[in-house]
Amino acid sequence: NAGVTQTPKFQVLKTGQSMTLQCAQDMNHNSMYWYRQDPGMGLRLIYYSASEGTTDKGEVPNGYNVSRLNKREFSLRLESAAPSQTSVYFCASSEIRGREQYFGPGTRLTVT
Amino acid sequence: DAKTTQPPSMDCAEGRAANLPCNHSTISGNEYVYWYRQIHSQGPQYIIHGLKNNETNEMASLIITEDRKSSTLILPHATLRDTAVYYCIVRDPTGTYKYIFGTGTRLKVLA
Repeated sequence: NAGVTQTPKFQVLKTGQSMTLQCAQDMNHNSMYWYRQDPGMGLRLIYYSASEGTTDKGEVPNGYNVSRLNKREFSLRLESAAPSQTSVYFCASSEIRGREQYFGPGTRLTVT
Repeated sequence: DAKTTQPPSMDCAEGRAANLPCNHSTISGNEYVYWYRQIHSQGPQYIIHGLKNNETNEMASLIITEDRKSSTLILPHATLRDTAVYYCIVRDPTGTYKYIFGTGTRLKVLA
């Protein structure tokens, strides 16, 4: 099992560009999450999906949209990137909401 | 969810046990203690969790005091690969989605 995979690993964007971060899990988990981690700080939840077909805002949703494409895949979209969105983005999944989470390797995004 | 307090950093000699403390004095009856770690630049890794009994798995042991106001994560034989930031999180798994990752304890295992 690959666990949680994320693409791309690295990305550089110019201000105003858009992009989609992809996440997939092969553990048949119901819940999926997107976090961001800024230097020297803990993780902050952007959006989560408790189950297929549902999505909800986390602590810092502004500037982002998500799509739970199917049970396996949960994407994060930046419609108009800003320098404040420079961060490392982690996707995670759990069997059900509230259970222990398993994280992907992260996407390092720089917005210039 | 209850707040946690951890020391910012600790050192441990390779091969020795690493004991990482966590205070969670406001923990409520439904809240579990979870431990994760983050090795440099990687995604956080789940280690172990417990409610009130001590727990052990292939990675670590978790000791929770009888009053549940504090806990200790024990890595029995620390290796250089255990150098990481360790996060103690307290939450009710039936409650909100939130995991509050604080700043954790930076453990350095010394050769």
